[in-house]
Amino acid sequence: KQEVTQIPAALSVPEGENLVLNCSFTDSAIYNLQWFRQDPGKGLTSLLLIQSSQREQTSGRLNASLDKSSGRSTLYIAASQPGDSATYLCAVEESNYQLIWGAGTKLIIKP
Amino acid sequence: SAVISQKPSRDICQRGTSLTIQCQVDSQVTMMFWYRQQPGQSLTLIATANQGSEATYESGFVIDKFPISRPNLTFSTLTVSNMSPEDSSIYLCSVVKDLYGYTFGSGTRLTVV
Repeated sequence: KQEVTQIPAALSVPEGENLVLNCSFTDSAIYNLQWFRQDPGKGLTSLLLIQSSQREQTSGRLNASLDKSSGRSTLYIAASQPGDSATYLCAVEESNYQLIWGAGTKLIIKP
Repeated sequence: SAVISQKPSRDICQRGTSLTIQCQVDSQVTMMFWYRQQPGQSLTLIATANQGSEATYESGFVIDKFPISRPNLTFSTLTVSNMSPEDSSIYLCSVVKDLYGYTFGSGTRLTVV
């Protein structure tokens, strides 16, 4: 059974720092992996989608990598800003449209 | 990617009543998904809704409690029936499109009193 783990559960850093969020999964037979952010009480915003054949994706200050063989993905945020404060979720998609979710990393960027 | 309009954004309801949540997608999609996110928890899939067929419910969720309609390829509703305080959660709809992955609605924050 697929399990997704996100470390750390919470992270607080000063504005301007570069940071890395981690996501690990137990079964490498995934269809894709997607990173989302969620603001308190709100829906989810898709950040990056990495398909199983890809190694990384970039969007602005965000870069996500995928290493299927080791069951790991990282989300790199460059030059963090207070507006980046949110909960970041990773989810792996298995072939039957099932999303398996991590518990999230709550990120606080201090001005 | 798809754009989803979800309504209402929040509601406070009396126990024993029902609430219907609507999701409208700006393009045709085969599958729509309904999720629940209880306070402090991650997302739990309630059901998958395909147009023209009965929704498929996950373990622990039943049609009598969470009836779903999917009248066409751009619209779906989820009803939370006979509500109790334990139903207080954020409810989200989602669609999937190849190359774009999953897109979520803005969520409905439900409080049952």
